[in-house]
Amino acid sequence: AQKVTQAQTEISVVEKEDVTLDCVYETRDTTYYLFWYKQPPSGELVFLIRRNSFDEQNEISGRYSWNFQKSTSSFNFTITASQVVDSAVYFCALSEALNQGGSEKLVFGKGTKLTVNP
Amino acid sequence: DTGVSQDPRHKITKRGQNVTFRCDPISEHNRLYWYRQTLGQGPEFLTYFQNEAQLEKSRLLSDRFSAERPKGSFSTLEIQRTEQGDSAMYLCASSLMSGAYNEQFFGPGTRLTVL
Repeated sequence: AQKVTQAQTEISVVEKEDVTLDCVYETRDTTYYLFWYKQPPSGELVFLIRRNSFDEQNEISGRYSWNFQKSTSSFNFTITASQVVDSAVYFCALSEALNQGGSEKLVFGKGTKLTVNP
Repeated sequence: DTGVSQDPRHKITKRGQNVTFRCDPISEHNRLYWYRQTLGQGPEFLTYFQNEAQLEKSRLLSDRFSAERPKGSFSTLEIQRTEQGDSAMYLCASSLMSGAYNEQFFGPGTRLTVL
């Protein structure tokens, strides 16, 4: 069965600090996708990134960067120079690939609540 | 706005009552998903449709829950004889099955409170 673990329940930082959110996953699939979503207080899930299991290249998008390591089944998310607007709950998620014949349903971790203080 | 919409946004009901939620997916999206999110947890998959066919249901979906997607467009999720444990955010997502991966777009959710 697929499983996503976000061991950090809550993190509090001061603005401009860098912060890394950890994500560890379990799956028997050979092809899968990993995601990060942001859920601000308004409640709507905001897609941040998708990563294919065959692509272990790290990715950077502005202040956000992602480190995918298949050897440790981890997909960590770093925010550089955090801002108050980054305060939200962040979810890591896993999905089987369509060619596995499944639904592509997302399996989410429990989330990490990030608070960035001014 | 052409995103996923859900109605109502909030619903308060008394235990034992029936409730129905609606989800309107992005036009042309042939896959529609329902998830449930309880306080402090991540969303959990409930069920999904491809066009009008309901192809998978989670064990979380008890007999009191039923979902439909007539004509493969909007979908409804009904909960009969609500219980306090049904209090949660119900999220709908849609995707267009067209390639190797089909991104799910989420709606704003319906927050259910059962008193």
